Amino acid sequence: DQQVKQNSPSLSVQEGRISILNCDYTNSMFDYFLWYKKYPAEGPTFLISISSIKDKNEDGRFTVFLNKSAKHLSLHIVPSQPGDSAVYFCAAKSASGGSYIPTFGRGTSLIVHP
Amino acid sequence: KAGVTQTPRYLIKTRGQQVTLSCSPISGHRSVSWYQQTPGQGLQFLFEYFSETQRNKGNFPGRFSGRQFSNSRSEMNVSTLELGDSALYLCASSLQENQPQHFGDGTRLSIL
Repeated sequence: DQQVKQNSPSLSVQEGRISILNCDYTNSMFDYFLWYKKYPAEGPTFLISISSIKDKNEDGRFTVFLNKSAKHLSLHIVPSQPGDSAVYFCAAKSASGGSYIPTFGRGTSLIVHP
Repeated sequence: KAGVTQTPRYLIKTRGQQVTLSCSPISGHRSVSWYQQTPGQGLQFLFEYFSETQRNKGNFPGRFSGRQFSNSRSEMNVSTLELGDSALYLCASSLQENQPQHFGDGTRLSIL
């Protein structure tokens, strides 16, 4: 049973436009959410996170939105650049529940066309 | 500052053999976690070590084991290898348990 779901295996976007990557979760105990980016032949790299006490966190071109009632979060990349082409993993954990081990989604492959 | 180092990068084994993978965390990081990634799957959590103690364990058979040394370096061992064990094995470390993890580039294990 997948507790973190990324329903779009892939996404194709034109350079300069917005990329929106979505993630849904089922465990209401999750209270901390992270996005990782992974290039081929490299390990995942931490991108941005958000705590459940917030509904938005922004870092440069990257913004994560959290909708707790819908158990949904999204990552917005504006403007998208070809170098953003990678696999993006959504992850969630329950810090208040005493477990700091994140549960990962299966990833969304983003391709940004020049 | 050196990142998380995993060795070897690539490994080919045959069914029934056993394998040991190594991970050196970022200096000062005491928490080390291991994940398995297979095509089309997310990162599946294997286990987590902190100060030489296994604190958390994922839903993997007993053929998968690990340990952590006093210098925080960690190894994971897989015995009686099966074809389905072919995967990318990732190691991650963090300074404190509530901080994002830093990943190594992984060991690509292929079972023939």
